[in-house]
Amino acid sequence: DAKTTQPDSMESTEGETVHLPCSHATISGNEYIYWYRQVPLQGPEYVTHGLQQNTTNSMAFLAIASDRKSSTLILTHVSLRDAAVYHCILRVRASSSFSKLVFGQGTSLSVVP
Amino acid sequence: GGIITQTPKFLIGQEGQKLTLKCQQNFNHDTMYWYRQDSGKGLRLIYYSITENDLQKGDLSEGYDASREKKSSFSLTVTSAQKNEMAVFLCASSRDTSSYEQYFGPGTRLTVL
Repeated sequence: DAKTTQPDSMESTEGETVHLPCSHATISGNEYIYWYRQVPLQGPEYVTHGLQQNTTNSMAFLAIASDRKSSTLILTHVSLRDAAVYHCILRVRASSSFSKLVFGQGTSLSVVP
Repeated sequence: GGIITQTPKFLIGQEGQKLTLKCQQNFNHDTMYWYRQDSGKGLRLIYYSITENDLQKGDLSEGYDASREKKSSFSLTVTSAQKNEMAVFLCASSRDTSSYEQYFGPGTRLTVL
């Protein structure tokens, strides 16, 4: 029951801006969009999240389409340290007291000098 | 800051064996999670614990037991390891169920011979 779709891999060059796309065509109105990143031999690390409005923090800019069926994580001035798997995730209601993260397959971003 | 520790880092078992994975967190978080990550797939929720002495089944609980011994620790038991099984088991914690961020440990890598 995958709810997000991402490209398997993308490549960027140091210093560039990279746009990581995610499709979530069946998203419900109260489901938040989350992004985590994961480097080899480590667990995922929180990047950002949003519901309807675009959001920005020190790590990334999250652009959410007006119909919420897709989103794009934008990384500016990427460095070699930004090479990771980027997971696009929906936070969905599992019970009256609990919401769970539903992960997609993730996009493996490689950065070349 | 805090840290999540998972032991062991690598676990090799035999078919049919009962195997236990351990997780400790020093964030003083209420909620803890166990996920399974297979190559090429997203993370899937096995068990979670909303607070000490609570256990809840996730999407992939069949074949597993869990134990929340105290607030800081959460164990996962593979009740009967399956031959040729390979996966990474990730432990995570969050302040509570409404917290937007989960903190992940580095994982336990399981191989079953």
